[in-house]
Amino acid sequence: DQQVKQNSPSLSVQEGRISILNCDYTNSMFDYFLWYKKYPAEGPTFLISISSIKDKNEDGRFTVFLNKSAKHLSLHIVPSQPGDSAVYFCAASAEKSGAQKLVFGQGTRLTINP
Amino acid sequence: DTAVSQTPKYLVTQMGNDKSIKCEQNLGHDTMYWYKQDSKKFLKIMFSYNNKELIINETVPNRFSPKSPDKAHLNLHINSLELGDSAVYFCASSPRGIAYGYTFGSGTRLTVV
Repeated sequence: DQQVKQNSPSLSVQEGRISILNCDYTNSMFDYFLWYKKYPAEGPTFLISISSIKDKNEDGRFTVFLNKSAKHLSLHIVPSQPGDSAVYFCAASAEKSGAQKLVFGQGTRLTINP
Repeated sequence: DTAVSQTPKYLVTQMGNDKSIKCEQNLGHDTMYWYKQDSKKFLKIMFSYNNKELIINETVPNRFSPKSPDKAHLNLHINSLELGDSAVYFCASSPRGIAYGYTFGSGTRLTVV
């Protein structure tokens, strides 16, 4: 019973183009969503987040979009750079329920080609 | 100056052994977590401690016992290791009740042979 799913295990994008990573969730109690980036042999590092009261959050080259009715969020990276090559995890939290835990998807490996 | 540090980074051990993984954070966070990344790459929560008090225990076999001597440390002890315990274990910490403030350690790759 995976409440957060990333259906694309991998994605390959040309340097300079836009990378779009997708994530779907099933639990309507989730009210906070995050993206984490992970390099090999390192722990995940926080990238960007969005509250359920918003539909877009932007931070430099990274933008997260949230479609609550579709229970879908996406991460846009533009322009993509070689250093963006990593595994990206989508995560969700039910903050208002006091759950204090993140539920993660299985990750998407992004490769940026020069 | 590592914020969340785990030791060891790699652990290879035989079935039936008992092992421990240590975690320390110097961020002053109140909450610490253990997550397991399984063979399908999902990161799943195992335990959460808030100021030394256990607040989350997610249907983990009781062979796994977390111990928090103080709010900066959360260790994971595993008894009678099984092949299925092979995974990468991540420690994390966050300010109290704020999931978005997670900081992860670099992980411990446990291999049971």
